[in-house]
Amino acid sequence: NAGVTQTPKFQVLKTGQSMTLQCAQDMNHNSMYWYRQDPGMGLRLIYYSASEGTTDKGEVPNGYNVSRLNKREFSLRLESAAPSQTSVYFCASLGGSSYNSPLHFGNGTRLTVT
Amino acid sequence: TQLLEQSPQFLSIQEGENLTVYCNSSSVFSSLQWYRQEPGEGPVLLVTVVTGGEVKKLKRLTFQFGDARKDSSLHITAAQPGDTGLYLCAGEDDSWGKFQFGAGTQVVVTP
Repeated sequence: NAGVTQTPKFQVLKTGQSMTLQCAQDMNHNSMYWYRQDPGMGLRLIYYSASEGTTDKGEVPNGYNVSRLNKREFSLRLESAAPSQTSVYFCASLGGSSYNSPLHFGNGTRLTVT
Repeated sequence: TQLLEQSPQFLSIQEGENLTVYCNSSSVFSSLQWYRQEPGEGPVLLVTVVTGGEVKKLKRLTFQFGDARKDSSLHITAAQPGDTGLYLCAGEDDSWGKFQFGAGTQVVVTP
């Protein structure tokens, strides 16, 4: 049981390049999330999807787009990368009620924009 | 935006000592979760607290949710090197399934 799988694990981009971060979960969870983690700032929500076919902005959505391709997959796209988007990106999923179900995180994508 | 502040930012202690990490907010949360994150990995849930005043114990870890559901603490008794990691608190706001994370407390336990 893989849980939440993120690809790639590492990526270096030049300013202005585009890329898509992939995320897939095999737990049949309805909700999926993209966070970025920066030193001293914790995890900040970029976008989330409460269910297949819906997406909503989080705290820091500017410069990003998302696609909930199906129940399993939730991708994050950077159309024109900027150095400020250098970060570690985490995808997470949530099954039932948060009272008895945690956020399940992938192991992250480490992105550097030069 | 409901701001969660964690303190201290960094804690270095010797094996066998006790430590407490705090998570404070001016806002009320419907639930609060504590996670531990190790280098190169995603956060992993330790506990969820829901009721004001609730205390939960997980072996040597004790979690408390404030009566007003605005703050929480994590106490570790007789810390071990395996407790080393980044401890994150996350509050669930009014919208179900949306979590606000604190900046984290880096704990280092040396033998």
